Amino acid sequence: AQSVTQLDSHVSVSEGTPVLLRCNYSSSYSPSLFWYVQHPNKGLQLLLKYTSAATLVKGINGFEAEFKKSETSFHLTKPSAHMSDAAEYFCVVSSLQGAQKLVFGQGTRLTINP
Amino acid sequence: NAGVTQTPKFQVLKTGQSMTLQCAQDMNHEYMSWYRQDPGMGLRLIHYSVGAGITDQGEVPNGYNVSRSTTEDFPLRLLSAAPSQTSVYFCASSFGLAGVVYEQYFGPGTRLTVT
Repeated sequence: AQSVTQLDSHVSVSEGTPVLLRCNYSSSYSPSLFWYVQHPNKGLQLLLKYTSAATLVKGINGFEAEFKKSETSFHLTKPSAHMSDAAEYFCVVSSLQGAQKLVFGQGTRLTINP
Repeated sequence: NAGVTQTPKFQVLKTGQSMTLQCAQDMNHEYMSWYRQDPGMGLRLIHYSVGAGITDQGEVPNGYNVSRSTTEDFPLRLLSAAPSQTSVYFCASSFGLAGVVYEQYFGPGTRLTVT
């Protein structure tokens, strides 16, 4: 069985400061991990994905995430927040055994203060 | 390419009514799925399909039916709507080769309210 826990339901940062959104996962198989972003009243957009290649994954809009197997974590970071980053972020896991069946975390709402 | 399209965008139903949420994709994707999004719970998989004529249940299938007669379309049917089905519904699609993880593309969502 697979599961994802996003450790913060809401994160608030000031514009220009670093962003850290935390995600822990549980998987019986080698996982694939994703971060999706959802802007208000919009669909979901893929930010980045990890599929057993490099453990440090770079995504769009300056985001990156590091896969740490020993800590079962896949935290999302960005060096400098922009107002347009305000959105809901979802950490997602799947496995080769169920490659297209995604299991979502509860979501983290990111607020950017001017 | 239009990508993944969903209709309607908004819908209000009374308890007991039936309706079909439409989903279509023009990317020739084998895999299609339906999720519901509720506050504080992320997205949960309702039903999915790995190709025309093949469907299976996800995490929360009760109260929903699906069919897949073509590669492009994957409608979701609510046979007798209940207030617990008030939610935002997302359709997604991707390539579906077994053992390979592909990016899934999401539609814009349908906001359903059952009174």
